[in-house]
Amino acid sequence: DSGVTQTPKHLITATGQRVTLRCSPRSGDLSVYWYQQSLDQGLQFLIQYYNGEERAKGNILERFSAQQFPDLHSELNLSSLELGDSALYFCASSVSPDRFATNEKLFFGSGTQLSVL
Amino acid sequence: DAKTTQPTSMDCAEGRAANLPCNHSTISGNEYVYWYRQIHSQGPQYIIHGLKNNETNEMASLIITEDRKSSTLILPHATLRDTAVYYCIVRVNAGNMLTFGGGTRLMVKP
Repeated sequence: DSGVTQTPKHLITATGQRVTLRCSPRSGDLSVYWYQQSLDQGLQFLIQYYNGEERAKGNILERFSAQQFPDLHSELNLSSLELGDSALYFCASSVSPDRFATNEKLFFGSGTQLSVL
Repeated sequence: DAKTTQPTSMDCAEGRAANLPCNHSTISGNEYVYWYRQIHSQGPQYIIHGLKNNETNEMASLIITEDRKSSTLILPHATLRDTAVYYCIVRVNAGNMLTFGGGTRLMVKP
């Protein structure tokens, strides 16, 4: 158990819909990262938040957005869903003792399997 | 981030050492080498990382060549539970996001 909690574990929805994925980082971790894993694209970094602020952005679509709340949990919002958005979505966290902390281990949750029908 | 090259797949007999190679010929002086593994659609799991010196922990050993252009992850006594995709990642020491490549699919066989 990594200590990172993701809910729900499975989500089935229809094209055009909007869903929210939730992540609770390990206790004390300030950074949260979101990754997408599809069969043809592998693990893709989407976005990172540090202590409530966006820290880094990867290959995140404009239809997707995320935020990190004062209690440090994070949500990934996916809207206007398409068939191609079906994937495993992972959240990870790290301690990040300060904004420029580096050389850290990331701890991953068990993921949310999203199926868009 | 420096690119890495790993074999697509490898087999290993249970109880034997598994040696997983990784080439990172364009690595720069401040880039760490990280290893993660992913067991069948579970979240990736941190294994080990290093900069210049060889490293060992309870899971594995990491051997980095003197020129730092390649490294080897060693699982000293592979078990069936070590069957997974192993990712070698090299990244600059700024920001912590990981860029995953294709990894090596290790199959441990009885």
